[in-house]
Amino acid sequence: AQRVTQPEKLLSVFKGAPVELKCNYSYSGSPELFWYVQYSRQRLQLLLRHISRESIKGFTADLNKGETSFHLKKPFAQEEDSAMYYCALSYRGSTLGRLYFGRGTQLTVWP
Amino acid sequence: GAVVSQHPSRVICKSGTSVKIECRSLDFQATTMFWYRQFPKQSLMLMATSNEGSKATYEQGVEKDKFLINHASLTLSTLTVTSAHPEDSSFYICSARDPWATNTEAFFGQGTRLTVV
Repeated sequence: AQRVTQPEKLLSVFKGAPVELKCNYSYSGSPELFWYVQYSRQRLQLLLRHISRESIKGFTADLNKGETSFHLKKPFAQEEDSAMYYCALSYRGSTLGRLYFGRGTQLTVWP
Repeated sequence: GAVVSQHPSRVICKSGTSVKIECRSLDFQATTMFWYRQFPKQSLMLMATSNEGSKATYEQGVEKDKFLINHASLTLSTLTVTSAHPEDSSFYICSARDPWATNTEAFFGQGTRLTVV
């Protein structure tokens, strides 16, 4: 069965420090991985998807199939990065748009 | 990008009454929509998959008679919380994906904060 694990419920860093939000998944096939972000009082929105291999707001995430991980990284955190981050998984054959979410990591960036 | 809109954004109701939450896809047609429940500072729990023109598919442990879902058109799904109780108080979120889009992004509504008093 598919499962997404985010080991850290809370993560705090100071502004300018590197940040890494961990995500591990379990799925036997070829998954599609996403990072969604939820800023305070705003809706959930897509931050990154692994197939795009892009950097958004300075964040990057690489799919490591060997370690079944999709960690989110940013070299220099900013205060505006403070938000709830969700790692999510989908796969070919699942209901269109169906996502499996991790429990989320609340990131706080201190000034 | 595509937009999914929920209404109302906030509702307070008395225990025992029913509440209807609407989820609309504004610029695309969604044959499938998803309803999630989110507890404070916690993950999104999928409640059910709403299918246009057919019955919704409920996740294990979700009472289908309590959470009625109707997906009567390609742009509207409704979730009705029947005979609401304080333990139903939560944040409900819907999402949908444009089936004709080349990307795989799911779009989320702004959520509905339900408080049952």
